[in-house]
Amino acid sequence: QSALTQPASVSGSPGQSITISCTGTSSDVGGYDFVSWYQQHPGKAPKLMIYEVSNRPSGVSNRFSGSKSGNTASLTISGLQAEDEADYYCRSYTSSSTLVVFGGGTRLTVL
Amino acid sequence: QVQLQESGPGLVQPSQTLSLTCSVSGGSISSGSYYWSWIRQPAGKGLEWIGRIYPSGSTNYNPSLKSRVTISVDTPKNHFSLKLSSVTAADAAVYYCARDVWSGSYRGAFDIWGQGTMVTVSS
Repeated sequence: QSALTQPASVSGSPGQSITISCTGTSSDVGGYDFVSWYQQHPGKAPKLMIYEVSNRPSGVSNRFSGSKSGNTASLTISGLQAEDEADYYCRSYTSSSTLVVFGGGTRLTVL
Repeated sequence: QVQLQESGPGLVQPSQTLSLTCSVSGGSISSGSYYWSWIRQPAGKGLEWIGRIYPSGSTNYNPSLKSRVTISVDTPKNHFSLKLSSVTAADAAVYYCARDVWSGSYRGAFDIWGQGTMVTVSS
């Protein structure tokens, strides 16, 4: 059981927007702005898409955005494209002894 | 640009010790802005953080693995290593090394990952 809760799957049609949630507690997501999101295509290493809740690394499309409200962080992908089909993971700092926690991952299917 | 590359045996016998090395190229492992982490992913499952090391040698481990994990750093060779003892089938996974940003841009994120190396546990 992962420390952060994500939906197992989401789907959307090309051009649509989808949002993936990442729910934790006040000891992790709710207490710190060190939430990041990763995209992972099959057989590939994860790729950083969002850091510090809402910042995009250089080279990442502005179709990807992040936000946080309370203990839940969210990743929104607008203008869905076929290439966005992948697994997405959130990560947060935690004040517990674990220090680093991941969400269980969300599989995005582009219909 | 900085690149990470994992290396080590792809097959480990049960009860033995898994040993992997992550070589860092294009930059110095001694930069004070980063931790260096190990993360694993069993087939078809999610990511699990194993632990990390700072260039000084200071370490943090996932409590669930702490009793079996040792992470070390060799700054002259610009690499860091993972040892996981008493492995079982549950330790079979793709093992990734990653740069964990401590300060500056991308703080609190794994900004660079190795390609991953698959480890099988079998006799």
